[in-house]
Amino acid sequence: AQSVTQPDIHITVSEGASLELRCNYSYGATPYLFWYVQSPGQGLQLLLKYFSGDTLVQGIKGFEAEFKRSQSSFNLRKPSVHWSDAAEYFCAVVREGGADGLTFGKGTHLIIQP
Amino acid sequence: DVKVTQSSRYLVKRTGEKVFLECVQDMDHENMFWYRQDPGLGLRLIYFSYDVKMKEKGDIPEGYSVSREKKERFSLILESASTNQTSMYLCASSATGSGNTIYFGEGSWLTVV
Repeated sequence: AQSVTQPDIHITVSEGASLELRCNYSYGATPYLFWYVQSPGQGLQLLLKYFSGDTLVQGIKGFEAEFKRSQSSFNLRKPSVHWSDAAEYFCAVVREGGADGLTFGKGTHLIIQP
Repeated sequence: DVKVTQSSRYLVKRTGEKVFLECVQDMDHENMFWYRQDPGLGLRLIYFSYDVKMKEKGDIPEGYSVSREKKERFSLILESASTNQTSMYLCASSATGSGNTIYFGEGSWLTVV
């Protein structure tokens, strides 16, 4: 069955510094991959998604992610973080078996230092 | 914009009560989902539905049931609430097709005492 691993539970970054959040997946075929962000007390908002084609995907709020099949990774990056980026970030992969829906990682909590 | 509305944001229920969590989407989506979110565990799929009156078990269906009588509405039911069901519940919807964007509601915080 599919699975997603986000190895970092918490990450602290200074405002203006670059950011990389790690995501590794396990999936039997070519995966559809997603990154969502959740602000405190809110639902999840889609940042970006990868289906096929260009392995570097651009998303909203200045985020991008790179799909690396050889490493089974889909890491999220941002060149310069803002205090408003403090949130929980979830990587997800579409469920195998033809059923719609996603399997999520456990999330990475991003803290921004002034 | 797609809107997924969860009518109750905060609920406090007693052990053994029957609990209904309601969700409505306004984009004519075929698929609807109920997830549970717990600290350190991420989101886990409870049930999903791909059509009216159709339902499929997710990863953690025990203790829950669902109802989809109309396309826009998907209800999660806790037949007899227990303290280990205290959690954040997120409803979501999407159009048919793997990889279509899933849109989430703002969540329902349920505390069972």
